[in-house]
Amino acid sequence: DAGVIQSPRHEVTEMGQEVTLRCKPISGHDYLFWYRQTMMRGLELLIYFNNNVPIDDSGMPEDRFSAKMPNASFSTLKIQPSEPRDSAVYFCASSPEPRQQYFGAGTRLSVL
Amino acid sequence: GESVGLHLPTLSVQEGDNSIINCAYSNSASDYFIWYKQESGKGPQFIIDIRSNMDKRQGQRVTVLLNKTVKHLSLQIAATQPGDSAVYFCAEGGGSQGNLIFGKGTKLSVKP
Repeated sequence: DAGVIQSPRHEVTEMGQEVTLRCKPISGHDYLFWYRQTMMRGLELLIYFNNNVPIDDSGMPEDRFSAKMPNASFSTLKIQPSEPRDSAVYFCASSPEPRQQYFGAGTRLSVL
Repeated sequence: GESVGLHLPTLSVQEGDNSIINCAYSNSASDYFIWYKQESGKGPQFIIDIRSNMDKRQGQRVTVLLNKTVKHLSLQIAATQPGDSAVYFCAEGGGSQGNLIFGKGTKLSVKP
């Protein structure tokens, strides 16, 4: 298996633009997690899904952020409109159960 | 990759020495505890975990110790190598929650 695949690896955009981050989890994993990592706040859980259903989105910063999982092999995290303070590395992780999560390589987002 | 170490505790060790990384956790109801390793530019990688009914678990060159009395977790790395240089995160989970709570991380630097 290729592991968790995230795209793009790097994204540079201007304030106000829509940003869509993509994730392909490991096949057979029932859980999918979206995290944000910054120097100031560390690794923060944004939202996680179980069997494609959002379970806990309490970490989503505000209404500008939304996440979907239309099927077991794909998820998106969307920011609209983006702001400079959204600049961070966004990770997707999947797991067969919550304990042993497998992380993707991340998407480095820069909002100018 | 993004530097996540500017505000992190740093442990500097000589190659071949043993390393001990410490972590204090918050939830006495957590069922399991996990150590992750994050190399520069990559996502966190699972190292080892321990259930709350254990106080010690050993892996290959790594040992995790759990002290539930003081809510303390440690990761011991034997014969530390340059490839062990990374940021190490502890995480806790279980109970009624499906997600993990990550600590702030410790940066390990190995001097050749």
